[in-house]
Amino acid sequence: KQEVTQIPAALSVPEGENLVLNCSFTDSAIYNLQWFRQDPGKGLTSLLLIQSSQREQTSGRLNASLDKSSGRSTLYIAASQPGDSATYLCAVYSGGGADGLTFGKGTHLIIQP
Amino acid sequence: NAGVTQTPKFRILKIGQSMTLQCTQDMNHNYMYWYRQDPGMGLKLIYYSVGAGITDKGEVPNGYNVSRSTTEDFPLRLELAAPSQTSVYFCASSLVGSGSQTQYFGPGTRLLVL
Repeated sequence: KQEVTQIPAALSVPEGENLVLNCSFTDSAIYNLQWFRQDPGKGLTSLLLIQSSQREQTSGRLNASLDKSSGRSTLYIAASQPGDSATYLCAVYSGGGADGLTFGKGTHLIIQP
Repeated sequence: NAGVTQTPKFRILKIGQSMTLQCTQDMNHNYMYWYRQDPGMGLKLIYYSVGAGITDKGEVPNGYNVSRSTTEDFPLRLELAAPSQTSVYFCASSLVGSGSQTQYFGPGTRLLVL
């Protein structure tokens, strides 16, 4: 059974810092990995999707990398801003039975002004 | 486009009551999903549908039922509410399956069973 772990569970940094969020998964046979952002009381917003054949994806100040063989992904946020404060969720699609994503518990990020 | 909409936003149920959580998408997506998120936990798949008339179980289907009579709607029914069903429920949709494209999520329904 696929399991997704995110470290750290919570992170608080001053504005302007670069930071890295970590995600690991137990079964390396994945089709893709996604990073989502979740704001309080709201749904999830997809940030980046990395297919299994890709090594990284970039969107603005966000860069996500994927090392499938080691079961790891990182989300790099450059020049953090208070508006980046949210919970960041990592999810993988492993195929097989149900067509759904397996999620980690998330990293709660606070950017101090 | 409104995207994925869910009603109600919040509901309190007594043990044993039933209710239907509504989900509608206006993006003409084939795939729709129901997830639940317990406090401090990741989302878990309850049911999903690959098209009208087709539904299948996810990881945690017990206590729930779904139907998909149209492309747009995917309601989730709780027949006999239990405290263990206290959670936030998210509906999501995608044009094709999870292997190719991201899922678009609704704002969620917060359910409290007392």
